[in-house]
Amino acid sequence: KQEVTQIPAALSVPEGENLVLNCSFTDSAIYNLQWFRQDPGKGLTSLLLIQSSQREQTSGRLNASLDKSSGRSTLYIAASQPGDSATYLCAVRRKGSTNAGKSTFGDGTTLTVKP
Amino acid sequence: DTAVSQTPKYLVTQMGNDKSIKCEQNLGHDTMYWYKQDSKKFLKIMFSYNNKELIINETVPNRFSPKSPDKAHLNLHINSLELGDSAVYFCASSQVELAGVAETQYFGPGTRLLVL
Repeated sequence: KQEVTQIPAALSVPEGENLVLNCSFTDSAIYNLQWFRQDPGKGLTSLLLIQSSQREQTSGRLNASLDKSSGRSTLYIAASQPGDSATYLCAVRRKGSTNAGKSTFGDGTTLTVKP
Repeated sequence: DTAVSQTPKYLVTQMGNDKSIKCEQNLGHDTMYWYKQDSKKFLKIMFSYNNKELIINETVPNRFSPKSPDKAHLNLHINSLELGDSAVYFCASSQVELAGVAETQYFGPGTRLLVL
């Protein structure tokens, strides 16, 4: 059974800092890994998706890496801003007989960026 | 235009009632999902529909019944609501993967259900 863990559970940093969020998973037979952002009381917004054959994806100030062999992914946020404050979730999609296999979510890291 | 929409946004109801939550996506996706996010913010999949066929049911009580009239809609009907059903329910959709094409899930804004 796939288990996804995110560390730390909460993170508070001053504005402008670079930071790293961690996601680890127990079963390396994954199809892809996706990072989401959830604002309080809102739905999930997809940030980056990394296919199992890829090692990283970049979008603006965000960079996500994937190391399948060690079961790890990191989300790097450069030059953090107060608007980055949210909960960040990683989701791992299982490799299986159907491409619409389920995603297992981590518990999330709640990020607070102080002005 | 909203890609994945859910109604209602909030639902407050008494224990024992039957209620439905609706979801619609205008992305032309083949697969839709229902997730439950509990008070601890843990997100767990409940159902997945691919082209109107149920392909995942994660040991959800049979009081919960998904219904998909067409591939753009996936509704969730809940019978005999219980206190423990209080949560935020998210609908999502994705395209069935084609070779070499990344598959991203798009989420609706959520329906906040409170059972009294």
